[in-house]
Amino acid sequence: SYVLTQPPSVSVAPGKTARITCGGNNIGSKSVHWYQQKPGQAPVLVIYYDSDRPSGIPERFSGSNSGNTATLTISRVEAGDEADYYCQVWDSSSDHQVFGTGTKVTVL
Amino acid sequence: QVQLVESGGGVVQPGGSLRLSCAASGFTFSSYGMHWVRQAPGKGLEWVAFIRYDGSNKYYADSVKGRFTISRDNSKNTLYLQMNSLRAEDTAVYYCAKDEVVVAAIPGAFDIWGQGTMVTVSS
Repeated sequence: SYVLTQPPSVSVAPGKTARITCGGNNIGSKSVHWYQQKPGQAPVLVIYYDSDRPSGIPERFSGSNSGNTATLTISRVEAGDEADYYCQVWDSSSDHQVFGTGTKVTVL
Repeated sequence: QVQLVESGGGVVQPGGSLRLSCAASGFTFSSYGMHWVRQAPGKGLEWVAFIRYDGSNKYYADSVKGRFTISRDNSKNTLYLQMNSLRAEDTAVYYCAKDEVVVAAIPGAFDIWGQGTMVTVSS
């Protein structure tokens, strides 16, 4: 089955840039979606189709995808960005949705 | 506004059954595929099942295939998850989620999520 690997945690100072990676075999050939989940809340879609932002999501959130790694970038990090982040793809070979292992972003 | 509201969670003994419901409003339910996603306490997200907008195709995670059944009633704007032969490892918050692609054969992103309903499997 297809596996997506994320770093367990990323720490960043306010105002700096956080980069969260999502590794998968030839992930660049798939569409990657990213979700933010704050404690006790449902996930929220923040990036879809690698780099598109849903309405209401700040421009500080951006995404890229190439080769074996997709990346979610949060610029000018704010305290309110502290959350768990998950990447996700559709694996057509197994007809399964696949989530990454999740990354906890801590704002110092 | 666009909204999904889950219900039906609770405590059930191992081997038991439970049916979850997800009431949709604020969008044309019959035009979108729908998913169930779960999250065990302190763990990450796990996709459970998908049903196409017209109910013609259904896909399941290996961990629930043969035990869970996803279905929908487009006349009632409601999604269901019938869970049988429940195990302790099925304990989780269960979310329903709307697929963002209209009238699609292949799932896309989950653009709307419900608040979740807790299922606890314990004797």
